[in-house]
Amino acid sequence: GESVGLHLPTLSVQEGDNSIINCAYSNSASDYFIWYKQESGKGPQFIIDIRSNMDKRQGQRVTVLLNKTVKHLSLQIAATQPGDSAVYFCAENTQGGGQAGTALIFGKGTTLSVSS
Amino acid sequence: ETGVTQSPTHLIKTRGQQVTLRCSSQSGHNTVSWYQQALGQGPQFIFQYYREEENGRGNFPPRFSGLQFPNYSSELNVNALELDDSALYLCASSRDGGNEKLFFGSGTQLSVL
Repeated sequence: GESVGLHLPTLSVQEGDNSIINCAYSNSASDYFIWYKQESGKGPQFIIDIRSNMDKRQGQRVTVLLNKTVKHLSLQIAATQPGDSAVYFCAENTQGGGQAGTALIFGKGTTLSVSS
Repeated sequence: ETGVTQSPTHLIKTRGQQVTLRCSSQSGHNTVSWYQQALGQGPQFIFQYYREEENGRGNFPPRFSGLQFPNYSSELNVNALELDDSALYLCASSRDGGNEKLFFGSGTQLSVL
């Protein structure tokens, strides 16, 4: 599968490959993270979230890994499909996502292109 | 369960005008947050409304204001529009003032000419 060590704005993969999208977050106090998928002309769509008391969380075809030591988050998509083509954003928050009035801070997006 | 809905989907205004954007929160959600997304960028937090009051604000000038109604729906108002206000405006809803599992609407694309 295709993977990147540092954030890259674009990632191109073949259908069926595994994709890994990386994100570096900025605030060492952040303890809640969300991955979003955004298709052209649409709002961000919730994919998966993770709290800082976990290193890994799995969903349907997706896995999020969290490395708090280096403030790094990754999203792994298994058996990537053309419908996965979109811009992917990571977002961070403090207080476990429960603090009223705080913002989700979004990272730089990665455009995933899947060719068949 | 109904999702977050926004209206209108597209809007064209001229510089100096005022605009009102509307949002209905997801069923069961009592908190609405507004974000601005410029082309090619990630969303940026404008403010949050909870219990019908502004409850946290990002780095946006006072000409960006809002309201929340008893049914938890919300409005975003922007006065004295500037060209740089052209962006996708996103509404997101959640429970009890937090950001857990924040769900977004499809947005309003505002063009300022």
